[in-house]
Amino acid sequence: EDQVTQSPEALRLQEGESSSLNCSYTVSGLRGLFWYRQDPGKGPEFLFTLYSAGEEKEKERLKATLTKKESFLHITAPKPEDSATYLCAVRGYNTNAGKSTFGDGTTLTVKP
Amino acid sequence: NAGVTQTPKFQVLKTGQSMTLQCAQDMNHEYMSWYRQDPGMGLRLIHYSVGAGITDQGEVPNGYNVSRSTTEDFPLRLLSAAPSQTSVYFCASRRGEGQPQHFGDGTRLSIL
Repeated sequence: EDQVTQSPEALRLQEGESSSLNCSYTVSGLRGLFWYRQDPGKGPEFLFTLYSAGEEKEKERLKATLTKKESFLHITAPKPEDSATYLCAVRGYNTNAGKSTFGDGTTLTVKP
Repeated sequence: NAGVTQTPKFQVLKTGQSMTLQCAQDMNHEYMSWYRQDPGMGLRLIHYSVGAGITDQGEVPNGYNVSRSTTEDFPLRLLSAAPSQTSVYFCASRRGEGQPQHFGDGTRLSIL
């Protein structure tokens, strides 16, 4: 069965203080690893898809990386508007058609 | 382009009542899913569909029914509401395998 564990559960940063969020996963044949951002009262918003170890994607202050066991979401010089819950999800080749396995998320707070 | 639209945004029910949560997408996506999100339990799959006329159960299907008569619409029915079904419900759609999901903004449901 696919599993996703995210750490830390919560992260508080000062504005400009760079850090990383971790997503450890187990899956039988990775079809895709997905990062989402969720703001309070909203649905998750897609950020990145990673398909194979060594792949990297960037968007503004965010950079996602992937190994065979984990993914990192690096946040460089964060701003208060980066405060949100970040979710990681995986789909495997042996996963049934409708299912993505989500982690519990990391709640990021960036103080000005 | 509205994406995924969920109605209502909020609902309060009494135990034993039934209701339908509506979900519509305008992206012509074949895959649609219903999740519930509870504190400490992440996103859990209720039911999903891989195309019009095709539905299947997810992790927590008991007490819920779905149907998919058109590509656009995927309603979720609560048959006889119970307090354990108090949650935030998200509908999502995606274009195909290995593709990211697009979420609605959720329905916040309270069962008294």
